[in-house]
Amino acid sequence: SQQGEEDPQALSIQEGENATMNCSYKTSINNLQWYRQNSGRGLVHLILIRSNEREKHSGRLRVTLDTSKKSSSLLITASRAADTASYFCATAAVGGFKTIFGAGTRLFVKA
Amino acid sequence: DTEVTQTPKHLVMGMTNKKSLKCEQHMGHRAMYWYKQKAKKPPELMFVYSYEKLSINESVPSRFSPECPNSSLLNLHLHALQPEDSALYLCASSQGWITSGKANTGELFFGEGSRLTVL
Repeated sequence: SQQGEEDPQALSIQEGENATMNCSYKTSINNLQWYRQNSGRGLVHLILIRSNEREKHSGRLRVTLDTSKKSSSLLITASRAADTASYFCATAAVGGFKTIFGAGTRLFVKA
Repeated sequence: DTEVTQTPKHLVMGMTNKKSLKCEQHMGHRAMYWYKQKAKKPPELMFVYSYEKLSINESVPSRFSPECPNSSLLNLHLHALQPEDSALYLCASSQGWITSGKANTGELFFGEGSRLTVL
């Protein structure tokens, strides 16, 4: 079952530009995570933000969380061609191990 | 490099075959997961084992049978599959913790997946 929607479904930008992806979810969460997946490969964890946090940074990544709107955004600054991949948000339920993924955004960064 | 190892990387099977997918992690994680992913779709949760017990079954058909022989190993036994079961099967593990009597989890560590084709 999917937790919610991500938008945009696909995003095409030039190298050096910033990329913003949004994620909405439906249920109460303990934390929200963002993952990256290169075509046909396993997912790689990027960043985790807890439900009591509003913003978090890691290198060129900035994540925000608005629990009142049940939404999160991922900003990748100064994008590179190597950032081309699919990006998924995932929510971890309160009191359990259920981790559900959003629909994902396919990012294309043109060199 | 991933610390979760999945075998085989590719599997082709007929609808009458019985096969197994295997997953191994040595990070001491107490939760292990099976996800199914179709092309251009997000991973869909199938099963979760926490502390070696099946804690979540997302209404998966009985032709998929999970097994957790010990805290490092997770198997997915396949029998009488359908062509629509063809997908990338992803294993993951995570560290769990207990807060106020409730279990919680953080980041998932994924294997590279087993690509299954059912003929």
